Amino acid sequence: DTGVSQDPRHKITKRGQNVTFRCDPISEHNRLYWYRQTLGQGPEFLTYFQNEAQLEKSRLLSDRFSAERPKGSFSTLEIQRTEQGDSAMYLCASSLVLAGSYNEQFFGPGTRLTVL
Amino acid sequence: AQKVTQAQTEISVVEKEDVTLDCVYETRDTTYYLFWYKQPPSGELVFLIRRNSFDEQNEISGRYSWNFQKSTSSFNFTITASQVVDSAVYFCALRPNFGNEKLTFGTGTRLTIIP
Repeated sequence: DTGVSQDPRHKITKRGQNVTFRCDPISEHNRLYWYRQTLGQGPEFLTYFQNEAQLEKSRLLSDRFSAERPKGSFSTLEIQRTEQGDSAMYLCASSLVLAGSYNEQFFGPGTRLTVL
Repeated sequence: AQKVTQAQTEISVVEKEDVTLDCVYETRDTTYYLFWYKQPPSGELVFLIRRNSFDEQNEISGRYSWNFQKSTSSFNFTITASQVVDSAVYFCALRPNFGNEKLTFGTGTRLTIIP
């Protein structure tokens, strides 16, 4: 199966620790999105990449958050000095953006973060 | 700014009943897409349907049907003859046709089908 994969699926950490999540998009997809879903809410956009360039960041993405996509393939999302409010499901999606055509976003299974 | 409102937080119906999930949206874009996703307890988002703002023709697919009304900015979703496996959280979402194409989701409706 060559869908979007995310690692780890679950992460439990203590407040103040740093965590890093990885997303592997569908091969050759040039666009990659990160969303965050807190309990009882819908997913909210965090940031997206076009190849290796990070083109937009939501105001939800505080200075403690950093995302990279160094070679335009996989992406990492790091949270420094985690807080209990960071507890959420972090979803990754990818798409192949071609001019003039509809571009479907495919979601990964998510990484569920619990900050104690 | 884009906004999606799902006023129904939770709905419970007895198996085999029909149920309609409401969705109202706001956007300044002239062209856009609307979606319904299903999120079962396992957590993954399952794509159900996509609608282009150009296409107001309503559709039926098996037990699912959708009612898109641009005049009222609504995109409602109906399940007929509900089944226990339909129990999940359902999200309505909106995204522009161009640019960043980021999805804006509603807060979801938790649907419980009672056997």
